[in-house]
Amino acid sequence: EAGVVQSPRYKIIEKKQPVAFWCNPISGHNTLYWYRQNLGQGPELLIRYENEEAVDDSQLPKDRFSAERLKGVDSTLKIQPAELGDSAVYLCASSLSRDGDTQYFGPGTRLTVL
Amino acid sequence: GQQVMQIPQYQHVQEGEDFTTYCNSSTTLSNIQWYKQRPGGHPVFLIQLVKSGEVKKQKRLTFQFGEAKKNSSLHITATQTTDVGTYFCAGPRDSNYQLIWGAGTKLIIKP
Repeated sequence: EAGVVQSPRYKIIEKKQPVAFWCNPISGHNTLYWYRQNLGQGPELLIRYENEEAVDDSQLPKDRFSAERLKGVDSTLKIQPAELGDSAVYLCASSLSRDGDTQYFGPGTRLTVL
Repeated sequence: GQQVMQIPQYQHVQEGEDFTTYCNSSTTLSNIQWYKQRPGGHPVFLIQLVKSGEVKKQKRLTFQFGEAKKNSSLHITATQTTDVGTYFCAGPRDSNYQLIWGAGTKLIIKP
């Protein structure tokens, strides 16, 4: 069974540029998560989807971040414009359902904003 | 708000010594999960504990869930270089089942 797939693995951009990350969850997993992880810290949830519905986006900086999960499968996370403080690893995870289920993480996208 | 605290932040051990990390929740948890993140890697699920007082073992790793379901621990016996990484605990938030993550304990093997 394929795991969670993310691309790109690395991205270097200059500040004020846009950037997008893509995630394909494990087949059959209804719940999809986007996390941000800064060096030496635990994952910080940005947004959680149940199928195509964003059910928890309270931590998403909505002035510059947006996300979508069309058709309830793969998802994209966008930052426009990027700021220096956005440099981090962006992790996508999926689980069968929302009820505290085990989350399976993708390899992440390491974003560097110069 | 609901919080999960994890200590210590770092633990330096000689190879062969034991390692323990502790996790404490401000509220009762329906379950607690443990993840391991290798340097440069992503979190990988280790185990989930559900029952009060539960103890589970995976080779040299022993996981415990407290009687009140508010604390948990991970103990590694006779650490090896392959154990290096950061160990996170996480438990579901009461209101929306979102996992609340501890800050992690980084296991460092002294050269």
